[in-house]
Amino acid sequence: AQSVTQLDSQVPVFEEAPVELRCNYSSSVSVYLFWYVQYPNQGLQLLLKYLSGSTLVKGINGFEAEFNKSQTSFHLRKPSVHISDTAEYFCAVTPTSAGNQFYFGTGTSLTVIP
Amino acid sequence: GAGVSQSPSNKVTEKGKDVELRCDPISGHTALYWYRQSLGQGLEFLIYFQGNSAPDKSGLPSDRFSAERTGGSVSTLTIQRTQQEDSAVYLCASSSPARGLQAFFGQGTRLTVV
Repeated sequence: AQSVTQLDSQVPVFEEAPVELRCNYSSSVSVYLFWYVQYPNQGLQLLLKYLSGSTLVKGINGFEAEFNKSQTSFHLRKPSVHISDTAEYFCAVTPTSAGNQFYFGTGTSLTVIP
Repeated sequence: GAGVSQSPSNKVTEKGKDVELRCDPISGHTALYWYRQSLGQGLEFLIYFQGNSAPDKSGLPSDRFSAERTGGSVSTLTIQRTQQEDSAVYLCASSSPARGLQAFFGQGTRLTVV
C-alpha cells in the first residue's frame, strides 16, 4: 500500500522569502510523484511531476522539487515566494505499474505574508 | 472535451434528499476518481474506476454513497438521504498513461446540505 505524509499543515512565510513544503511517502513499489496546487476557490492543477531521469524537477511559477529515493521524500521548494503563491499544495504518488490510483497527502496551506 | 467537467457547480439540498453529481472526464481517459474536500481539509479518496475493472470503492464513507461509470466515460456519484456532514466540495479527476499519467481535475461540485 502507498501513503503520503505532508508534515506541515500550514506554512506562513514572508514575501520574497524562500519556502520548502515537505512530502514523504511510503510505498513497497516504485512510484511516480506529483505536486498539485489549488488556488483559492479553484480546482487542482499540476505544479510538477517526477516520472524518471533527473531527480530535480522544475515546475510552473518557479517551483522545483527533488526526489530523494533513500529518504522517500519529494520536497517542494521556491527560492522567493510571491503573494500569488498563497494556495493549498498537495503531494501525490501513483505506482509505476499501470492501472493504479493516485494517493494524495492531506495538503499544506501556504500563506505568503506581505 | 478539453477538460474534466463537473455539474452542477453548486448544489444546495435539504437534509434527507438524494443528490446526483456528474463528472465528464477527458475523452479517452481510462481512469476516473472521486474525492471529497471538506472545509479546510485535504483530499479524501472516495472511489476509483479503471477501465473495465471493478471499481475501488474502499473510500466510500457509508452505504448512502454510490457511484457508477457508464460506458467507460461519464460518472455519477449519488448520495442518498443526505446529511449535513456530507457538505463538501466533491472533486472528480481523470487520467491516462498516454497523457503523462497526471490526474486532471474538474472544478468540483460544492454541495451544501441544509
